[in-house]
Amino acid sequence: EIVLAQSPVSLSLSPGERATLSCKASQTVSRNFLAWYQQKPGQAPRLLIFRTSSRATGVPDRFGGSGSGTDFNLTISRLEPEDFAVYYCKQYGQMRYTFGQGTKLELK
Amino acid sequence: DVLLVQSGGMVVKPGGSVRLSCAASGFTFADFSLHWVRQSPGKGLEWISQINWDGSSRFYADAVKGRFTISRDNSMHSLYLQMSSLKTEDTAYYYCAREGTGWNYFDFWGQGTPVTVSS
Repeated sequence: EIVLAQSPVSLSLSPGERATLSCKASQTVSRNFLAWYQQKPGQAPRLLIFRTSSRATGVPDRFGGSGSGTDFNLTISRLEPEDFAVYYCKQYGQMRYTFGQGTKLELK
Repeated sequence: DVLLVQSGGMVVKPGGSVRLSCAASGFTFADFSLHWVRQSPGKGLEWISQINWDGSSRFYADAVKGRFTISRDNSMHSLYLQMSSLKTEDTAYYYCAREGTGWNYFDFWGQGTPVTVSS
């Protein structure tokens, strides 16, 4: 099973700042089947990025995904108040899906 | 609009069984694979099961294999999760999710169903 390690566990930033979240896989993620989700308290997760760097419908262009192989990043170029949430990466491989443990983006 | 509406929360004793349901609307149900994902209190997300468009392929996480069964009824536009031999560690919010076409991502999610396993 491919294990995803997200860092940092939490990140305190202010609106307008840039956020970079990391997701490292224990093995190569096949065909870059790497996605990112945002979850706010009391809500279901929301798809942000799929196939490493493709934005889902309606996702603002301040959200960007990059990476390949085992190292992936989610970048939020200029934080808006509504961006403070928990972010999860997810991969598909070997007929299994695994999520990272999440990064909590907190308001400084 | 795509909607996935899940059944209400449940409390069940260890060793017991429950069935979760997820009713879909706003898209051609039979065209999509569907999944169940759970989230234990204060914890992260855990994928638990997948079913393809016609139910001929089903996959499970090791933690639930042999105890949970995923199924679907395309005529009723509904997804189900039969959960048996429940353990206290199965306590979680359970989400149904639609798989987007081609790249193994989950583009729409249900609102979640809380399941509590407690004596």
